[in-house]
Amino acid sequence: DSGVTQTPKHLITATGQRVTLRCSPRSGDLSVYWYQQSLDQGLQFLIQYYNGEERAKGNILERFSAQQFPDLHSELNLSSLELGDSALYFCASSPQGSTNEKLFFGSGTQLSVL
Amino acid sequence: SQKIEQNSEALNIQEGKTATLTCNYTNYSPAYLQWYRQDPGRGPVFLLLIRENEKEKRKERLKVTFDTTLKQSLFHITASQPADSATYLCALTASGGSYIPTFGRGTSLIVHP
Repeated sequence: DSGVTQTPKHLITATGQRVTLRCSPRSGDLSVYWYQQSLDQGLQFLIQYYNGEERAKGNILERFSAQQFPDLHSELNLSSLELGDSALYFCASSPQGSTNEKLFFGSGTQLSVL
Repeated sequence: SQKIEQNSEALNIQEGKTATLTCNYTNYSPAYLQWYRQDPGRGPVFLLLIRENEKEKRKERLKVTFDTTLKQSLFHITASQPADSATYLCALTASGGSYIPTFGRGTSLIVHP
């Protein structure tokens, strides 16, 4: 058990809908990362937050947004969903904000857009 | 463009043998490289980190080498066991910038009893 909690484990929704994925980092970790994993793209970095502020941005679509709250949990919001958004979404945490030498991943949220 | 390449074909080996997985990269100036293990339906689990100025790192049955001239890292599991069967991902972090690990697509290892 990595100590990173993601909810829900599975999400089935329709095209055009909006969903929110939730992540609680390991106790004491200030950094949260979101990654998307699909069969054709592998594990792709979306966005990083450190202590409530956006630290780095990857290939995150404009339809997607994230935030980190004062209690350090994070939410990833996906809107106007398309079939191609179906993927495993992972949250990871680490104590550091800048060197990211070891990431602890949650078990992921499997999103299916029908 | 920057690329991280891992063999997409599964590696099948017999129990007790040494498994060797390869991670090649191009157009990176690496700060360090990480190896993760991922089981089906689970998140990646960190195994080892090796820095650009290190040649080799060991942890129990695991050994990682890093050759920045060849732009390659090798990941070895000695005395492999069926429980080692999983997908192994390498992740490269470039020096400068945001220090976000970029992952390869992983290689599946299957250890047969």
